[in-house]
Amino acid sequence: QIVVTQEPSLTVSPGGTVTLTCASSAGAVTISNLPSWFQQRPGQAPRTLIYSTTNKQSWTPARFSGSLLGDKAALTLSNVQPEDETEYYCLLYYGGAWFFGPGTKLTVL
Amino acid sequence: QLQLQESGPGLVKPSETLSLTCAVSGDSIGSSSHYWTWIRQPPGRGPEWIGNIYYSGSTYYNPSLKSRVTISVDTSKNHFSLRLTSVTAADTAVYYCVTQAVTTKRLDFWGQGILVSVSS
Repeated sequence: QIVVTQEPSLTVSPGGTVTLTCASSAGAVTISNLPSWFQQRPGQAPRTLIYSTTNKQSWTPARFSGSLLGDKAALTLSNVQPEDETEYYCLLYYGGAWFFGPGTKLTVL
Repeated sequence: QLQLQESGPGLVKPSETLSLTCAVSGDSIGSSSHYWTWIRQPPGRGPEWIGNIYYSGSTYYNPSLKSRVTISVDTSKNHFSLRLTSVTAADTAVYYCVTQAVTTKRLDFWGQGILVSVSS
C-alpha cells in the first residue's frame, strides 16, 4: 500500500512564499505519478489547483505553481494572500490506483 | 456543464452494505471522455480514492478496499453506483462522485457529497 506524506501544517506571512511538498513511500515522485494538488475550504469539496505536475486549472491563480523538488512533488504559493489559508492535498498515481496525502493546513499569519 | 448528484441512505448499520448512486447530467455516462470516480473523506481527515469505472466497464479500485467495493454503470439511467460491503465505523465519511478526464487524468467535476454514517 502506497503511503503519501505531506507537512501537517505550515505558516506563512502575507505576501510571502511557501512550498508544500508531497512524498511517497514508493520512492521518488516523478511525472509518471501525475501529481495533482487540491485546495479544500471547510464544508466544500476539494477543487483541483494543479494536475500532471505543473498544469493549472482555469481558475488557479497565477501565484500557485506545481513542480518536482528533489524526490517530491511540490506546490509553491508566491505572494500569499489571506484567502489562501486553508487545507491542501496532493494526489499521486500508481498503476491504475490513486493515493491522496493527508493534507497540509496552511496558516497565513 | 456536467453535474453530479449523489444519493443514498445517510445511515448504514455495521456489517451491512453501503449503496450509493451518482446521477449524471450534462453528459452521457457512455462518454469515453471520463472515468467515473468515487472518493470519500472521513470527518476531519484527507480524501481517499475508492475507485473508478470507464464506459467500457473497466474498473480500478483502491487496493485497501478492493475486496469490498463494486462500482457499476447504468446507461439506461445515466448514473453510476458504489457498493461497499461489510461496513464498519471506519467507513463513515462524506462520499463524493467525481469525473476524471481520460486525457489529462484531471479530477474535473465533483458532486456535493453525501455523508454516510455507519452506526447501529
